[in-house]
Amino acid sequence: DTGVSQDPRHKITKRGQNVTFRCDPISEHNRLYWYRQTLGQGPEFLTYFQNEAQLEKSRLLSDRFSAERPKGSFSTLEIQRTEQGDSAMYLCASSTVGQNTEAFFGQGTRLTVV
Amino acid sequence: GQNIDQPTEMTATEGAIVQINCTYQTSGFNGLFWYQQHAGEAPTFLSYNVLDGLEEKGRFSSFLSRSKGYSYLLLKELQMKDSASYLCAVSPYGNNRLAFGKGNQVVVIP
Repeated sequence: DTGVSQDPRHKITKRGQNVTFRCDPISEHNRLYWYRQTLGQGPEFLTYFQNEAQLEKSRLLSDRFSAERPKGSFSTLEIQRTEQGDSAMYLCASSTVGQNTEAFFGQGTRLTVV
Repeated sequence: GQNIDQPTEMTATEGAIVQINCTYQTSGFNGLFWYQQHAGEAPTFLSYNVLDGLEEKGRFSSFLSRSKGYSYLLLKELQMKDSASYLCAVSPYGNNRLAFGKGNQVVVIP
């Protein structure tokens, strides 16, 4: 257990539905990242926050995706009008501020869109 | 853009040594990380290199050559529990947002 928790661990949804995932980072970590991982691939960066500010969004993040970190603690990732191509593992990670600090990953939310 | 290249799979015997290579071409460089990921689990941190040379941590060592855009992870005295995917990741911008390779699946056999 790395101390980063994600909920739910698994989600099955019908195409077109909206889903929301939650991430609770390690409490003293200012930075929070979202990644997406498909089978046989490494994680792909989606977005990151420093405290409550969303500082970067990947071009992978379409308009259907939105992420928030309202109080600089937990974060949510919402996908609207899900598509089958959204099926993946969604990983959250957190770290302290600093160049050589490791990121701690949660166990992810596995999304299956049917 | 970022390009991180790793071989996809290798098999090795318990007790052996295995070297996993990673080459990268990124728009910036602020360090290279190695992570281990068991199937269905979170990636866990193994090592970090920002300067050229070898970093040793118990059975695991990691090497970096910035001029060649090359790193390797050396796993010694392989154990069955080392069967996992090993991910190479570069931090291009210094904010620890990582660009990952596809990972190298290591299978340890008795």
